[in-house]
Amino acid sequence: NAGVMQNPRHLVRRRGQEARLRCSPMKGHSHVYWYRQLPEEGLKFMVYLQKENIIDESGMPKERFSAEFPKEGPSILRIQQVVRGDSAAYFCASSPGTGWDYGYTFGSGTRLTVV
Amino acid sequence: DAKTTQPNSMESNEEEPVHLPCNHSTISGTDYIHWYRQLPSQGPEYVIHGLTSNVNNRMASLAIAEDRKSSTLILHRATLRDAAVYYCILRDHTSGTYKYIFGTGTRLKVLA
Repeated sequence: NAGVMQNPRHLVRRRGQEARLRCSPMKGHSHVYWYRQLPEEGLKFMVYLQKENIIDESGMPKERFSAEFPKEGPSILRIQQVVRGDSAAYFCASSPGTGWDYGYTFGSGTRLTVV
Repeated sequence: DAKTTQPNSMESNEEEPVHLPCNHSTISGTDYIHWYRQLPSQGPEYVIHGLTSNVNNRMASLAIAEDRKSSTLILHRATLRDAAVYYCILRDHTSGTYKYIFGTGTRLKVLA
């Protein structure tokens, strides 16, 4: 039973390019969460999605960032026109629901470096 | 969201027990106490959670104070693989809250 799969593990982009981060949740999980971790800092919530719906994007920067979780395929976090400040580790987590006994399963993250 | 307070760092000797404290004086009656840990270069992983009673699982034990204003994560025999950042998080299980709000956690160093 594969866990949450994120790819790529490492991504290097030049300033102004686009970054696409992919997350395949655990089998049977229909809830996906994205977090960002800046160097030496804690994890910050970005967005919560269910299949084909964005439920909460309160942690997403207003510009350049978008997320989707289509009916088929992985969830995608897209960063347009990347800047140096976007360099961080981006973690995806999934859960089967939001009930009390549903903890998150996190992926190993994508480390984005903007040069 | 109710806040938690944890020491920035702790050290332990290998194969000795470790007690990681967490203060949550503003905890509400419906907040569960969750613990996650993050190993180097990994995503966080679930450790344990509880409401009022002490809890045990294969990874750790969670001791919750009678007034619930504090709790302690207990690793019974620390190994080098337990070196990680440990996060104590409160989560309200009745309001449909789904977000974990991570603090800065406690960085545990295990000495060989």
